[in-house]
Formats: sequence, C-alpha cells, structure tokens
Amino acid sequence: GAVVSQHPSRVICKSGTSVKIECRSLDFQATTMFWYRQFPKKSLMLMATSNEGSKATYEQGVEKDKFLINHASLTLSTLTVTSAHPEDSSFYICSARDFRGYGANVLTFGAGSRLTVL
Amino acid sequence: GDSVTQMEGPVTLSEEAFLTINCTYTATGYPSLFWYVQYPGEGLQLLLKATKADDKGSNKGFEATYRKETTSFHLEKGSVQVSDSAVYFCALSDPGSNTNAGKSTFGDGTTLTVKP
Repeated sequence: GAVVSQHPSRVICKSGTSVKIECRSLDFQATTMFWYRQFPKKSLMLMATSNEGSKATYEQGVEKDKFLINHASLTLSTLTVTSAHPEDSSFYICSARDFRGYGANVLTFGAGSRLTVL
Repeated sequence: GDSVTQMEGPVTLSEEAFLTINCTYTATGYPSLFWYVQYPGEGLQLLLKATKADDKGSNKGFEATYRKETTSFHLEKGSVQVSDSAVYFCALSDPGSNTNAGKSTFGDGTTLTVKP
C-alpha cells in the first residue's frame, strides 16, 4: 500500500532558528499533500494544502511567512518553520492521497514530526 | 460545510469490554467515511472505511456501518485489548464538495484507554 515518510521524527531547536520538515511519498506520486498541526490532546488542524509546482493553499489564520511550504516534486513536500518560537512547538503531520485504484479516497499519513523550540 | 462530531472522551474500559465510539457527520455530497487510529507518538493510520450507504468497514475486530439515514458511522469492537489504547478519529472525505480539493474533515478524536 501507499507509504508516506516524514523526517525528522523529532527535532529540538533554539528560538529564532528555522526548521525544515520533509514529507515524501515513497511508492506513489502525490500532486497534493496536506500539512496538519496537532496540539496535545487535540484534533488535527489542517494548516495548508501543498500543491506540486504551485503555491500552497493556506487555511485561515495560518501565517504563510511563518510556515513555508514547498512542493518541488511529485514525491516531496517540505514545511519550514521560520524563526521558530516556543509557541510553535507541536506535532506536525503530513498526509497524501494515492489516486491509484480503489484507495483513491484514502489519506496516507506520515508518522509525524515532534518539534520542540527552546 | 462538512463536519464530523465525535463522542467526547476520554473513554476508559477494562480488557474484553465492549466498545462504542459514536460519530455523526454532515456533508453536502456523498462522502466516504473513515476511522483512523493514532498510537502514542505516532501519526495516523487508517483503521477502516466505508464508501457508500450501508457499507460496513471492518479491521482488527473493529467495525463501523455507514448509516445514511442517521448520518452516523459509529465504531464498535466486541472485546477490547490493552493494545487498543489509542486516539481514534472519525473522518469524512466529500468529493462532491466544491471546497473539498482533496481535504478530509476530522472529528476531535476520542482517547481510549484499556486497562488490564
């Protein structure tokens, strides 16, 4: 089945630095990927839709300049948290939809990236 | 717009107890319905799905039936195990929605703890 790899799984950084998280579809091409943020004991908050070869579509209230998304190829989307602050600490999860065959409606999720900003 | 309402947690059960987690939805089109499970420190995994009315999704002893008349997709398991302790998310994907663009709508998640 479809596999989505997310890296790094955990990252700790100093306040003011930038952190890049990668999301890769390993065995399928994904023209669209989704980035979520999950707070402790909370549901997933969709941050943005990453579109291959074009600009990402951000949800209302999500700062575009803070959370930079690049989808340069059909198998890779990156989320860069710029000038990170402690309030950006969270669990970030990506997902992609494999449009091959019967599973077209199913989202495949990465394992998530735990960001801690000191 | 589309929405998913899930039973509030946390839910604590003893091993071998019967589990029900309620889920209801609203959608503009004919959605597909899903249950995802998230184990501690991990991403979400698809547990089961149903793509049309009266379909029953099942996996690992869990079941859910797509009920269009009650707009529900309740998750059930006859005998839970300690290893079932996780957060469960109900979700829908509505390809008929003009604003969907491939998105899915998630419930708030229900935390299940199973004690030995």
